[in-house]
Amino acid sequence: GEEVAQTPKHLVRGEGQKAKLYCAPIKGHSYVFWYQQVLKNEFKFLISFQNENVFDETGMPKERFSAKCLPNSPCSLEIQATKLEDSAVYFCASSQSRTAKETQYFGPGTRLLVL
Amino acid sequence: AQSVAQPEDQVNVAEGNPLTVKCTYSVSGNPYLFWYVQYPNRGLQFLLKYITGDNLVKGSYGFEAEFNKSQTSFHLKKPSALVSDSALYFCAVRVSIYNQGGKLIFGQGTELSVKP
Repeated sequence: GEEVAQTPKHLVRGEGQKAKLYCAPIKGHSYVFWYQQVLKNEFKFLISFQNENVFDETGMPKERFSAKCLPNSPCSLEIQATKLEDSAVYFCASSQSRTAKETQYFGPGTRLLVL
Repeated sequence: AQSVAQPEDQVNVAEGNPLTVKCTYSVSGNPYLFWYVQYPNRGLQFLLKYITGDNLVKGSYGFEAEFNKSQTSFHLKKPSALVSDSALYFCAVRVSIYNQGGKLIFGQGTELSVKP
């Protein structure tokens, strides 16, 4: 598609439950990025993919967070045993190539609320 | 380490007046700088970017930004503000993809309020 699609728009989980978020990048884009926006303004990088391969996972809290980008499927970000501090908006972005000049285009985000 | 700073949490402007949203950066190597806008409960929309060349970059919705290497700044500007420009604005730098994966590092955001 022409836009990055993210589902669901909203997600409510009780503390300790699992949450799974999905992202479909723009068609033809090889790079996918996940970011977490907390406290309204602060963006934190989580993980990036080049096609189905993890490119950079330096931002991932690995003990509870995992992510995949499989061929012919939306990318996913999964949080096992959610905590209150995981409440945030999770954005997915995609870009066409690996050069730094390429623009990252963002999806509308998934708002996760952990109660 | 690469970083971006937006020194103003909020900018208030009267409609029709020029606006400036400030951004300074610290990078090693060539800076690749971006401006995004976020409307309430919406995703980030790309406005413009500086890669190389002309220091004045023109973008969407009448916005422009001036790259100043000596001051390490990339301020966002618009000659005449509209009420509909009221939103949250983010400056970002893209890290070189060869050693840090190409992620964006964002400033803390500036809330622009344009009053009629």
